[in-house]
Amino acid sequence: AQSVTQPDIHITVSEGASLELRCNYSYGATPYLFWYVQSPGQGLQLLLKYFSGDTLVQGIKGFEAEFKRSQSSFNLRKPSVHWSDAAEYFCAVDHSGNTPLVFGKGTRLSVIA
Amino acid sequence: KAGVTQTPRYLIKTRGQQVTLSCSPISGHRSVSWYQQTPGQGLQFLFEYFSETQRNKGNFPGRFSGRQFSNSRSEMNVSTLELGDSALYLCASSLNYGYTFGSGTRLTVV
Repeated sequence: AQSVTQPDIHITVSEGASLELRCNYSYGATPYLFWYVQSPGQGLQLLLKYFSGDTLVQGIKGFEAEFKRSQSSFNLRKPSVHWSDAAEYFCAVDHSGNTPLVFGKGTRLSVIA
Repeated sequence: KAGVTQTPRYLIKTRGQQVTLSCSPISGHRSVSWYQQTPGQGLQFLFEYFSETQRNKGNFPGRFSGRQFSNSRSEMNVSTLELGDSALYLCASSLNYGYTFGSGTRLTVV
């Protein structure tokens, strides 16, 4: 069965610092890949998605992610973090575009001054 | 364009009762999926409906059921509630690829 691993449960960064959140998936072919963000008590907001083509995808709020097939990874990055980015981030996989999303356990991001 | 609307936002029920949650998808979206989110298990898929038919089902007991109406609105029902059913229930709608989530219904079972 496909799975998604987010190795970091909690990350703390200083405001203005760069950010990278890791995501690895287990699946033979190239799946559809997503990053979502969740603020406390809220639903999930889509940051970006990758289906095919250019392996570097741009999303909302200044986020980007890079798909690396050789490493089965889809890491999320932001060059300069803002305090409002503090939230929980989820990586998700859909192996065919027509199957349920499989989510990682999430990474909680804290931002300090 | 209105987003995915879930009602109610909060719910408190007693063990043994049943509950019905509602989800109105984005206009034109025919697929509706339900997820359960808990601190221990994370986000787990419950079921998906497409054009009033259940297309996919997760690994949950039969106490969890759902349906979809002709206008794509969906409901999920949980019967004989248990304490462990306390969770945030999220609904997502999809047109092609990618899912838009609602704000969820927070269910507390006491």
